[in-house]
Amino acid sequence: NAGVTQTPKFQVLKTGQSMTLQCAQDMNHEYMSWYRQDPGMGLRLIHYSVGAGITDQGEVPNGYNVSRSTTEDFPLRLLSAAPSQTSVYFCASSPGGAGTQYFGPGTRLLVL
Amino acid sequence: QQPVQSPQAVILREGEDAVINCSSSKALYSVHWYRQKHGEAPVFLMILLKGGEQKGHEKISASFNEKKQQSSLYLTASQLSYSGTYFCGTEGGTSYGKLTFGQGTILTVHP
Repeated sequence: NAGVTQTPKFQVLKTGQSMTLQCAQDMNHEYMSWYRQDPGMGLRLIHYSVGAGITDQGEVPNGYNVSRSTTEDFPLRLLSAAPSQTSVYFCASSPGGAGTQYFGPGTRLLVL
Repeated sequence: QQPVQSPQAVILREGEDAVINCSSSKALYSVHWYRQKHGEAPVFLMILLKGGEQKGHEKISASFNEKKQQSSLYLTASQLSYSGTYFCGTEGGTSYGKLTFGQGTILTVHP
C-alpha cells in the first residue's frame, strides 16, 4: 500500500506558466482534497472531491482547477502561475466526510 | 472561518506537560488533531465528535466542548518526539464534510 502519492516533489515555474500537480491514492477513498500550506497560515483547502466526477471549491480556489475522473487520481492544475502561488501543496484522501485525512508527502512549488 | 489556536508556540523540557487550545466561532460537528514534523506531511492524531467526547492516544489526549466550540489537546510527560507543529481541523457550520485548519501551534521539547 503506497497510500497517497504526489508528484513532483519540487517544481520551479515562471510566472504565467501552467502545470499539473499529480495526486494518487490506492486506499479506495471517496474523498480527496488539495491544501496549500503557507507559513503562519496553517493548511487551507483549495478544492475537494467527494467521489469520481464530483468536485467543489474550498477556501482558496482561485487560480486552480481540478477534475476527478477516477477514484484514484485527483490532479490539481495551475492555469497561469503567479508568485502568490508559491507554497507547499498537500493532497489528502479520506474514507468519507471529514474523516481521517491521509496526507501525501507534499509538492513544494516556487513561482518566480 | 479559521479556528484559532493558542498558544502559537510553546517550549518544554522533557517530562513537562502542555495544553493546546482550539477555538471556533461556529457550531462544530467534529474536531481533528494532527501533528506535522518539519518538512513532512501532517499525521493524524485523533478525531473528536460532538458530545463532549474525550479521547486518548498514548500520553496525548483531547477534549471537545461543543457548547463552547472549543477543543483542547493535552500532552503529558512530553517526549522529544512530541516536537512539531500541531494543527486542529474543525468541521462545522455550513462546511459539513470539509475541514478548516487552525494556524498551528509549534511545540518544541528540549532534553
